[in-house]
Amino acid sequence: DTAVSQTPKYLVTQMGNDKSIKCEQNLGHDTMYWYKQDSKKFLKIMFSYNNKELIINETVPNRFSPKSPDKAHLNLHINSLELGDSAVYFCASSQVLGQPQHFGDGTRLSIL
Amino acid sequence: EDKVVQSPLSLVVHEGDTVTLNCSYEVTNFRSLLWYKQEKKAPTFLFMLTSSGIEKKSGRLSSILDKKELSSILNITATQTGDSAIYLCAGASGGGTSYGKLTFGQGTILTVHP
Repeated sequence: DTAVSQTPKYLVTQMGNDKSIKCEQNLGHDTMYWYKQDSKKFLKIMFSYNNKELIINETVPNRFSPKSPDKAHLNLHINSLELGDSAVYFCASSQVLGQPQHFGDGTRLSIL
Repeated sequence: EDKVVQSPLSLVVHEGDTVTLNCSYEVTNFRSLLWYKQEKKAPTFLFMLTSSGIEKKSGRLSSILDKKELSSILNITATQTGDSAIYLCAGASGGGTSYGKLTFGQGTILTVHP
């Protein structure tokens, strides 16, 4: 069973569209995260949620909106997609804040 | 702004060689230093270091933290082709609104040739 699963694995879409990426973890963890990995392989934190509450909100355009319906799920919705949004987006979870994070396999987003 | 720098950026070795990867950090309210291995997809956790000078070991991999020098090293002995990956270092913040936040370095790409 996959511990942290993201869907879809690949997303190809046009500029201006709205898209969502879903993430689920079956580890029973309290904390979930979204990261963006750019073409230079830098992983940057975007958001973290602890028990459905937003904890970390980095300098991310407000076109990006995370939603956590329960502590096992953290979805990422992106409005008005731009070319610069092309990247691999990783979801992660940890037992509690500050503990090692377990990553999903990533969603490769390509904007045409 | 928090910053983590890794060196070298890439490394090519032959099987059996020993490698040392470096990581230096500037993290506000530093709590711990983590190492991850990223092959094709998800980064996988290797080590978390919180205390200076105490080596953590897992098979052929070992790592140590130097809080005075704000740095860490990851050693891999008797490298194998399966060690080929990107090795990521991350500093974890332990205070305030950034508690638990990981700041990643740019990674070291390790290639091990047979």
